[in-house]
Amino acid sequence: DGGITQSPKYLFRKEGQNVTLSCEQNLNHDAMYWYRQDPGQGLRLIYYSQIVNDFQKGDIAEGYSVSREKKESFPLTVTSAQKNPTAFYLCASSILGQVGEQFFGPGTRLTVL
Amino acid sequence: GQSLEQPSEVTAVEGAIVQINCTYQTSGFYGLSWYQQHDGGAPTFLSYNGLDGLEETGRFSSFLSRSDSYGYLLLQELQMKDSASYFCAVSRKHSGGGADGLTFGKGTHLIIQP
Repeated sequence: DGGITQSPKYLFRKEGQNVTLSCEQNLNHDAMYWYRQDPGQGLRLIYYSQIVNDFQKGDIAEGYSVSREKKESFPLTVTSAQKNPTAFYLCASSILGQVGEQFFGPGTRLTVL
Repeated sequence: GQSLEQPSEVTAVEGAIVQINCTYQTSGFYGLSWYQQHDGGAPTFLSYNGLDGLEETGRFSSFLSRSDSYGYLLLQELQMKDSASYFCAVSRKHSGGGADGLTFGKGTHLIIQP
């Protein structure tokens, strides 16, 4: 079955540590996205990528980094520079040019202690 | 900048019809999407409007008026499983052409009563 996987589902880290969240898709989509969701809020765009080896900052990229070495994979690193990293992180993908219809992974809940 | 406004909460009765409105302000508007999210889950795509008018998909319909920067999601024959949060989201044109990611509203919590 085609879809998007994110791991782990729950992640705990100590303050000051970098952490990498994985996102893999087998939908053969060119475009991939990372969003952050805080309680009772909408999703906010962190980074997006429309093609391998290229990515663009979204609205809240500070304190985050990404790579896109393979079409299927778009890992997100939450660095120690991110002031409030505790949140629900969602990865999504879409057909290139169909940004309105995105498919989401199950998400990773990151808690920084 | 971009902003979207939608009601924070709507209550409706099982079997009835409910409309969730969304107004937006954005530069380089591309289209309006709707997503459903159950508590603790991931958003799932419901509908997309790139042009003015009504799009219908089963019990769900979505409407867009670009001149009014306004859209709505219409849910018919409400079922208990429709209790969820509903988000409108705009896609924007970016400088290189095409569209970048989505900007989401804060969501409308739909409560269905028996």
